[in-house]
Amino acid sequence: EVQLVESGGGLVQPGRSLKLSCAASGFTFSDYYMAWVRQAPTKGLEWVASISYDGGSTYYRDSVKGRFTISRDNAKSSLYLQMDSLRSEDTATYYCVRLGDYWGQGVMVTVSS
Amino acid sequence: DVLMTQTPVSLPVSLGGQVSISCRSSQSLVHSDGNTYLHWYLQKPGQSPQLLIYRVSNRFSGVPDRFSGSGSGTDFTLKISRVEPEDLGVYYCLQSTHFPDTFGAGTKLELK
Repeated sequence: EVQLVESGGGLVQPGRSLKLSCAASGFTFSDYYMAWVRQAPTKGLEWVASISYDGGSTYYRDSVKGRFTISRDNAKSSLYLQMDSLRSEDTATYYCVRLGDYWGQGVMVTVSS
Repeated sequence: DVLMTQTPVSLPVSLGGQVSISCRSSQSLVHSDGNTYLHWYLQKPGQSPQLLIYRVSNRFSGVPDRFSGSGSGTDFTLKISRVEPEDLGVYYCLQSTHFPDTFGAGTKLELK
């Protein structure tokens, strides 16, 4: 059974940093592109970043480029999202997603003073 | 970015009924590889989204045949027949043909 379990969310002040993690199991992690997708409270879905099988290629939406870094550790079957210079508009539930098919349960990030 | 326009925003339905949700893109979703990367998801209340249909018309593992997808180019439709209580929630279309991936704003399926 495919499982994606996010962790690392919480309340953080604007301008500070937070790192999200996603532990994957039930499939060969290194065989899949992975992504982070977010959902602001009561809003729709927004793709944030993606990473290739070996981490050699990464992709970001414009609003997070230069502030967020997606990475992976295939040996640990884990996906990460380092979020720096956080803004109030980054407040959302962040989902770890496998190639658009399986989603984690999500982790809440609140950016507020 | 490709704009995905979903209609209607809200869709009242009676159990056992049939509904259709439309998703239109601001440009063709036919990829240079010949595939069309248009997918449908359902987000039930309090849950994460789940994949229903991938590449226009392919049902994901475990998805009942009450769900069907169709369309081409810029115009796509999700049909749900014999609606059951577990079908209620918000439906989203997603295009992954063009960078960046973009979602429709969602269609809320609710009981009349």
